[in-house]
Amino acid sequence: NAGVTQTPKFRILKIGQSMTLQCAQDMNHNYMYWYRQDPGMGLKLIYYSVGAGITDKGEVPNGYNVSRSTTEDFPLRLELAAPSQTSVYFCASSWGGPTYEQYFGPGTRLTVT
Amino acid sequence: KQEVTQIPAALSVPEGENLVLNCSFTDSAIYNLQWFRQDPGKGLTSLLLIQSSQREQTSGRLNASLDKSSGRSTLYIAASQPGDSATYLCAVSLSYLSGNTPLVFGKGTRLSVIA
Repeated sequence: NAGVTQTPKFRILKIGQSMTLQCAQDMNHNYMYWYRQDPGMGLKLIYYSVGAGITDKGEVPNGYNVSRSTTEDFPLRLELAAPSQTSVYFCASSWGGPTYEQYFGPGTRLTVT
Repeated sequence: KQEVTQIPAALSVPEGENLVLNCSFTDSAIYNLQWFRQDPGKGLTSLLLIQSSQREQTSGRLNASLDKSSGRSTLYIAASQPGDSATYLCAVSLSYLSGNTPLVFGKGTRLSVIA
């Protein structure tokens, strides 16, 4: 049981490039989340999904897109990368909604230069 | 808007000392509160989850309390060890019916336990 996995671990992008951050979970969780963590700050929610085919915006969705075609996978797409998107990105999942414990992946450290 | 504050931002203690980390939140209408541990360069590990109807939760040397009416939670670590050195984050869950911020995080307390 791998839990929540994320790839890649590190990435450097040039301004204007695009990429997809991958997230997968093998716990059959319905809810999945994407957060970003800036240095010295708490985590902020980018997007979340309550099940396959259903996604919704979080607190800071601008510049990102998501899809959820399966229960297991929840990729995060960055279009036209900007320096402001330099951050550490965490994917998380939970069986149910916010009242349930969230399990986090190890994170992807992204630098946009 | 819910805001979560953690004090102190950093704490250094000698090994063996008992310590308390503080978390406060501005809106008492929460479902639960979670304490997480984050090691440098790593993801978050959930330590304790307290439902809004509970007063405290214990796991080993950790005890978390919740006073919803006053908007406060504490994480008590007994007999601290160098391996406890990490950043500790608290997060409160809001009603998902209220929109798009199901978990609101504090900025964390960076704990160093000196051998």
